[in-house]
Amino acid sequence: SQQGEEDPQALSIQEGENATMNCSYKTSINNLQWYRQNSGRGLVHLILIRSNEREKHSGRLRVTLDTSKKSSSLLITASRAADTASYFCASGGSNYKLTFGKGTLLTVNP
Amino acid sequence: GAGVSQTPSNKVTEKGKYVELRCDPISGHTALYWYRQSLGQGPEFLIYFQGTGAADDSGLPNDRFFAVRPEGSVSTLKIQRTERGDSAVYLCASSPSATGGYEQYFGPGTRLTVT
Repeated sequence: SQQGEEDPQALSIQEGENATMNCSYKTSINNLQWYRQNSGRGLVHLILIRSNEREKHSGRLRVTLDTSKKSSSLLITASRAADTASYFCASGGSNYKLTFGKGTLLTVNP
Repeated sequence: GAGVSQTPSNKVTEKGKYVELRCDPISGHTALYWYRQSLGQGPEFLIYFQGTGAADDSGLPNDRFFAVRPEGSVSTLKIQRTERGDSAVYLCASSPSATGGYEQYFGPGTRLTVT
C-alpha cells in the first residue's frame, strides 16, 4: 500500500516560474527522498533529506521536512521545459523500504 | 559506470503464460529491490535482496510471484500463470547497502502487458 500523498496531483506552470510540490506521509521516517520520472519509466533520484534535517538544497531544488506535521515540500526554482516530469516523494523508515506516493505531474510550458 | 539495466524493456504475453524479468544492478551494490508501478500510481515495493538472500518478500502479491538472485548480482523476477492484473511496469533498483538510508538507483523498467 502507498503511504504518501503528493499535492497537487498535477501542476502546470510557465517556464521561469517556481514549482512547489508537497508530500505527506503517515509513519515515522529515517529519511525522505524525492524522485523524478519521465515518461513512466525509470526514476531518477533528486535529493534525500534525513529526519534530523529541516532543509536541504541541491542546485535549483530546495526540500523542506517537517516531521511534526509528517510533511515535506519540493521547490524547483526557475523552472525549465526539461523539468516536465512526474515527481514522487518516498519515505524511508529504519529499514530499507521506500514507500512512494502517487506523484505530482509537473508540466512546464515554454 | 553503467547504471541498472533491465531486460526486456517490453514484454507482451498471453494470460496464463510464464514470464521472467531480468535486472542487472550496479556493480558492487549489495542491495537490490523490485517494485511494481501501475498506471497513475507510484512504485510499490515487491521484494528486497541483501546479497543472495531475499531479506523481505512481503510485497509479493501472491505465490505466483518469485524472485531469485543466486550469485548476489543479477536478479530475475518470475511470474507464473500471468493474469491481466499483472500488467504494469516492473522496476528494479539497487543501492550500495540497505542500511543508513541510501538513495536507490532505478533501472528503466520492464513494461509487462498481459493480454
